Amino acid sequence: QVQLVQSGTEVKKPGASVKVSCKASGYSFTSFYLHWVRQAPGQSPEWIGWISPETGGGSSAQKFQGRVALTRDTSINTAYMELRGLRSDDTAVYYCALKLGRGNYFDPWGQGTLVTVSS
Amino acid sequence: EIVMTQSPATLSVSPGERATLFCRASQSVGSNLAWYQQKPGQAPRLLISDASTRATAIPARFSGSGSGTEFTLFISSLKSEDFAVYYCQQYNDWPLTFGGGTKVEIK
Repeated sequence: QVQLVQSGTEVKKPGASVKVSCKASGYSFTSFYLHWVRQAPGQSPEWIGWISPETGGGSSAQKFQGRVALTRDTSINTAYMELRGLRSDDTAVYYCALKLGRGNYFDPWGQGTLVTVSS
Repeated sequence: EIVMTQSPATLSVSPGERATLFCRASQSVGSNLAWYQQKPGQAPRLLISDASTRATAIPARFSGSGSGTEFTLFISSLKSEDFAVYYCQQYNDWPLTFGGGTKVEIK
């Protein structure tokens, strides 16, 4: 079945970078876009951006532009989200999520990766 | 960006009763609206896309309606596993945005 498995919990200091991975299985990796979404504690989800695994192209929300890099490695069916210049308000669970349908809604989601930013 | 507003913030319902959740968009999103369910410690799960299309394996007690700026999620007869937080999300325009959520709790 379609599955997205993410890397484990990260603890980072302010100003550092974090790179979260998302390994896909159960479908053709290059056929569907992947999105990244984060959710701060007690908050609603916030969309970060998307990547086309086929081309490597994509886009991110304006608030993350210049600070986020979305990449992929098609040889191992894995997508990555790197966030630089971490701040305490970047503390959140980061999810990858698949766009299988016509619209940009997400199904399924990865299990999430907790990123804690603390000095 | 399109702001999604959900109401109520919390809904107290007894098992077996019907729940009605609302989602309003700050401008028209057509039918480009999804609903998700999230339980503690879990990722959101897609319930509804295109405002009214149930996702695979979602029970028929979940239904969605609406278009433009006003949307509704109905849960016809609440089961214990339905107590969770529900989010709406618009995908008509960038950036994609989510509502603030409705927590459905046991009355």
